[in-house]
Amino acid sequence: DAGVTQSPTHLIKTRGQQVTLRCSPKSGHDTVSWYQQALGQGPQFIFQYYEEEERQRGNFPDRFSGHQFPNYSSELNVNALLLGDSALYLCASSLVSSAIQYFGAGTRLSVL
Amino acid sequence: EDQVTQSPEALRLQEGESSSLNCSYTVSGLRGLFWYRQDPGKGPEFLFTLYSAGEEKEKERLKATLTKKESFLHITAPKPEDSATYLCAVQASARDRGSTLGRLYFGRGTQLTVWP
Repeated sequence: DAGVTQSPTHLIKTRGQQVTLRCSPKSGHDTVSWYQQALGQGPQFIFQYYEEEERQRGNFPDRFSGHQFPNYSSELNVNALLLGDSALYLCASSLVSSAIQYFGAGTRLSVL
Repeated sequence: EDQVTQSPEALRLQEGESSSLNCSYTVSGLRGLFWYRQDPGKGPEFLFTLYSAGEEKEKERLKATLTKKESFLHITAPKPEDSATYLCAVQASARDRGSTLGRLYFGRGTQLTVWP
């Protein structure tokens, strides 16, 4: 049973560019959440998707957007990248009926 | 505002030396408290979830407990392979107006090093 998979594993971009990160949830899961983790910090909630709609959003600017597809996979898009966007981006999947979220290995984004 | 504070920030133990990690929280109605383990460069790995005060969960050398204001992760006779960052997170209850059901609020973690 495959767990949560994320791609790519590493990414290097320059300021002002745009990036798309991808996530496939654990088999049978219908809800996807995205988190940003800066070095030495705990993960910070970006947003959550269920039934292809954004259900909740954390304190992140509109440069951060997302999408969920009919097969429950999800994308995170970040526009106009800033140096401060450098972080580990984590995807977590869950069942809408369960509180437990399972995380992928993350995408390490470096903005130069 | 919902908050999670973990202590200590870092902990060094000799193999076999038992200790506890603390997670204190303030949340408007607790739906669940979660412990995760995170190895360097990896995503958090789920360990336990606790739902009500007095609840305890065990897994190998780890035991998690919950009170109304805090949780403890007890590590008994740790081994070097237990070295990792341990993260605590809380989720608010859906019964509260304006609740943020689904999102997890994380602490900054405790970095545990166990040396032989």
